[in-house]
Amino acid sequence: DIQMAQSPSSLSASVGDKVTITCRASQSISTYLHWYQQRPGEAPKLLIYAASSLQSGVPSRFSGSGSGTDFTLTISGLQPEDFAAYYCQHTYNTPWTFGQGTKVEIK
Amino acid sequence: QLQLQESGPGLVKPSETLSLTCTVSGGSISSSPYSWAWIRQPPGKGLEWIANIYYSGDSYYNPSLKSRVTISADTSRNQFSLKVSSVTAADTAVYYCARGAPSLGIDYWGQGTLVTVSS
Repeated sequence: DIQMAQSPSSLSASVGDKVTITCRASQSISTYLHWYQQRPGEAPKLLIYAASSLQSGVPSRFSGSGSGTDFTLTISGLQPEDFAAYYCQHTYNTPWTFGQGTKVEIK
Repeated sequence: QLQLQESGPGLVKPSETLSLTCTVSGGSISSSPYSWAWIRQPPGKGLEWIANIYYSGDSYYNPSLKSRVTISADTSRNQFSLKVSSVTAADTAVYYCARGAPSLGIDYWGQGTLVTVSS
């Protein structure tokens, strides 16, 4: 199985900050990497698909980059509604696995 | 707008079988290139992919659960289902049904349903 290592596991930031979350795959997954946001009590929401494509309706302050084994999610200008958990996931092959998540908290 | 809705018992006894159904509206489960997936999240923990099934009928399972899990689809009702046998407390989780494709990620999710395993 391909393992996804996400870091950090949590971070504290202020409104307006730039936040970067990284995800490393245990083997190359090309760009079969996706990012999700999950607010408490809600289902996950797709933010970025195929490593760098912005899902329809998602604000442009979210961006993704990377290929192969190393990937990054960047939030440029954190907004109050962005305080949530973020997960990466690969779909290169089955089993589709998720990173352990990053909780973004208010400083 | 595609919508997915999970249904099934919220409480299951240990050693019994957990059965959930996902009803899809606003689109067909026979549409390519999508698959229909089950994902779960134990309370306070991360996400775990369980299985998915394609319009072709091909299905794929998480090896960690494969011996206990069955996914199936009923195209006439536009539903797909999950069965998990011999459940234990470790199967207590919010179960989500969802639509996904390898190159597109998981773009639609149900609201999730909490299943508790307890006597």
